[in-house]
Amino acid sequence: KAGVTQTPRYLIKTRGQQVTLSCSPISGHRSVSWYQQTPGQGLQFLFEYFSETQRNKGNFPGRFSGRQFSNSRSEMNVSTLELGDSALYLCATRGGGGDEQYFGPGTRLTVT
Amino acid sequence: GQQLNQSPQSMFIQEGEDVSMNCTSSSIFNTWLWYKQDPGEGPVLLIALYKAGELTSNGRLTAQFGITRKDSFLNISASIPSDVGIYFCAGQLRGGSNYKLTFGKGTLLTVNP
Repeated sequence: KAGVTQTPRYLIKTRGQQVTLSCSPISGHRSVSWYQQTPGQGLQFLFEYFSETQRNKGNFPGRFSGRQFSNSRSEMNVSTLELGDSALYLCATRGGGGDEQYFGPGTRLTVT
Repeated sequence: GQQLNQSPQSMFIQEGEDVSMNCTSSSIFNTWLWYKQDPGEGPVLLIALYKAGELTSNGRLTAQFGITRKDSFLNISASIPSDVGIYFCAGQLRGGSNYKLTFGKGTLLTVNP
């Protein structure tokens, strides 16, 4: 079974721009969660989607948004980028019944 | 929000030694997960724990879910160079549709061959 894939792997953007990141879950997994990882704050939960609905949201500003499609693929969008948004963005997917979340390789976003 | 205290922050050991790291929380969790992350990659799930007191092994790794449900530890026996990486604990409190993971800050493990 193929793992979680994320595209792109690396991205460089300028302050004020917006960015869209993509996550394709493990086949059959319907839950997709997004996390931000920085050296200072560690891994922090952004939001979770299940069956195209956002079920849970972390403490991030409204500039961070996401969506999920009918095939369970998910995208997250960050608008009006700030320098502090530079981070590794990870998505994790979960199958039915279990609590284990499986992570993708992440997208390294650098904001200049 | 909930905080997980993971210790130690870093460890430098000799190949062949055993390693122990732990996480404590101010509140209870239903599930504890342990991950390992290599540079530039996403965390890889090592062990999942679901019941208080549960002891689970995965090869040279052993993890336990504390009986108070507020702590967990991970042991690595007979360490080898490829054990190098950052180890994270994560707790999950299931309630309704809540599947948010709360992570510790990680333990950086260095193994000297």
